[in-house]
Amino acid sequence: KAGVTQTPRYLIKTRGQQVTLSCSPISGHRSVSWYQQTPGQGLQFLFEYFSETQRNKGNFPGRFSGRQFSNSRSEMNVSTLELGDSALYLCASSLGQVANTQYFGPGTRLTVL
Amino acid sequence: AQSVTQPDIHITVSEGASLELRCNYSYGATPYLFWYVQSPGQGLQLLLKYFSGDTLVQGIKGFEAEFKRSQSSFNLRKPSVHWSDAAEYFCAVGLGSNTGKLIFGQGTTLQVKP
Repeated sequence: KAGVTQTPRYLIKTRGQQVTLSCSPISGHRSVSWYQQTPGQGLQFLFEYFSETQRNKGNFPGRFSGRQFSNSRSEMNVSTLELGDSALYLCASSLGQVANTQYFGPGTRLTVL
Repeated sequence: AQSVTQPDIHITVSEGASLELRCNYSYGATPYLFWYVQSPGQGLQLLLKYFSGDTLVQGIKGFEAEFKRSQSSFNLRKPSVHWSDAAEYFCAVGLGSNTGKLIFGQGTTLQVKP
């Protein structure tokens, strides 16, 4: 079974631009979660989508948003990019049921100049 | 508030030596606990997990972890470290039976000396 895939793997943007990252979960998984990883803050939860609905949300500004499609693929969008948004963005998928195990993708490395 | 603490930011061990990485959590209910490993430039790979039952859990690559409720700990161990084990290790707690949200520790970087 194919793992979690994320596109693109690397991205360079400038301040003020917006960006969209994509995540395709493992086949059959209905939950997709997004995390931001930085050297200073570590791994921080952004949000989780389950069956096209946002089920949980972390403590990030409204510039960070996401959505999930009927095939469980998910996108996250960051508007008005800031330098501090430079990070590795990780997507994880799970069945979304009791006692979830999250399986992570390789991440998208976003650099904001 | 829920939190995970990995007291050791960096650990160096010799190849063939035993390894123990510490993890302490703070969570009011029965936790779901995980250890993940991350190689440079890669995503997170699940090593093992604890949901319930036997408090000693076995994982991939020869790793095991023991859940100790009285100490709020979930330490990761390996009897003999290989050079390929050099990576960053993350302990995480899952917040409930119906959510994917994980709270991660700050990570422990393992260096292996030849």
